[in-house]
Amino acid sequence: GENVEQHPSTLSVQEGDSAVIKCTYSDSASNYFPWYKQELGKRPQLIIDIRSNVGEKKDQRIAVTLNKTAKHFSLHITETQPEDSAVYFCAASAPGRRALTFGSGTRLQVQP
Amino acid sequence: EAQVTQNPRYLITVTGKKLTVTCSQNMNHEYMSWYRQDPGLGLRQIYYSMNVEVTDKGDVPEGYKVSRKEKRNFPLILESPSPNQTSLYFCASSPTPRGGATGELFFGEGSRLTVL
Repeated sequence: GENVEQHPSTLSVQEGDSAVIKCTYSDSASNYFPWYKQELGKRPQLIIDIRSNVGEKKDQRIAVTLNKTAKHFSLHITETQPEDSAVYFCAASAPGRRALTFGSGTRLQVQP
Repeated sequence: EAQVTQNPRYLITVTGKKLTVTCSQNMNHEYMSWYRQDPGLGLRQIYYSMNVEVTDKGDVPEGYKVSRKEKRNFPLILESPSPNQTSLYFCASSPTPRGGATGELFFGEGSRLTVL
């Protein structure tokens, strides 16, 4: 089955800096890669996703890049703000699967 | 308001005492699922349901049961809870047939369960 590894497990940045979280996946057939954000004590919520037919997707300060050859994808947050502080989960899914496989999560702390 | 509602939000119980965590969604989604969240392990799927009366095991189904008698409800049952089931549980639903595998998962608020 699919295996998703996520790094780093914790990340601390200064407000205004960029943050990058990286994930690798094992199933070369995977074609859908969402990112979920979970604020402290709250539910995970989808913030951005990418499908395997594109290499990059942006939404304001957030971008995701995908390298299918290397089987890794990354979340980029620019101009970080304190409200970006949360746990971020990457996930992957292959055709025919009926569920996502999540990474272990990255706790991002943005220092004011 | 579109939402997924779980109850109870917090529960402390003892080993072997059967319990049920309820989950209800008002978005008419066919796909529903249960996850558990443990530190360092991310979100792991317990069971999922693609429609009424259709359920299947996820990655960590041992010790759990589910049922899907109505489209909106998907209760999680722990017949004989053990301390290793102490965790944060999330119910989720999705408008897409394969759940979050192709589209957004909508999560409930979570249920924190402690088994002594």
